[in-house]
Amino acid sequence: GNSVTQMEGPVTLSEEAFLTINCTYTATGYPSLFWYVQYPGEGLQLLLKATKADDKGSNKGFEATYRKETTSFHLEKGSVQVSDSAVYFCALTLPWNRDDKIIFGKGTRLHILP
Amino acid sequence: DGGITQSPKYLFRKEGQNVTLSCEQNLNHDAMYWYRQDPGQGLRLIYYSQIVNDFQKGDIAEGYSVSREKKESFPLTVTSAQKNPTAFYLCASSGTNYLAKNIQYFGAGTRLSVL
Repeated sequence: GNSVTQMEGPVTLSEEAFLTINCTYTATGYPSLFWYVQYPGEGLQLLLKATKADDKGSNKGFEATYRKETTSFHLEKGSVQVSDSAVYFCALTLPWNRDDKIIFGKGTRLHILP
Repeated sequence: DGGITQSPKYLFRKEGQNVTLSCEQNLNHDAMYWYRQDPGQGLRLIYYSQIVNDFQKGDIAEGYSVSREKKESFPLTVTSAQKNPTAFYLCASSGTNYLAKNIQYFGAGTRLSVL
């Protein structure tokens, strides 16, 4: 079946460190890939997306590249800030499906220490 | 501002009681969703609706019910049959044109606890 696997947290880093959160997927065909972020006590917000192989999504200093050969969509940021502390969800959709459902990973909690 | 409004922010349920969580959107989206979030388990889909007067069960529909009488509204009722209702509930919506499709916009959530 279709699924998303992301690294377990929590991930704790110091401010200005380099961040990588791994995400791999299993899907039939060509899914669209997303990263959502959830700040404490809030709902999820779309962080970035990529809809085809080799696309790079970017936003707020975060980047992720759609790698079809490794079925991966790892999230990276060169220098994290305390305000980046949140839970990050990798997700996929199958655009040709009628039901518009999103398949989420379990989330990775990120703590940034000042 | 366009967005999704969930209310209340906090809700307490007594034993044997049904409670209803509100979700309203002014984004003119056709599709709406309800998720349950438990610590360490990510999001699980309860119900979804792609059009008014129609909805489908998600992965964990037992003990919940929904209605979709208006495009803007998708209330969720947690019934007394749901034995473990304590969780954070998130409502979302998405558009149906090709560019908007599959991008979901979320409300701020309702935290439900059992008294």
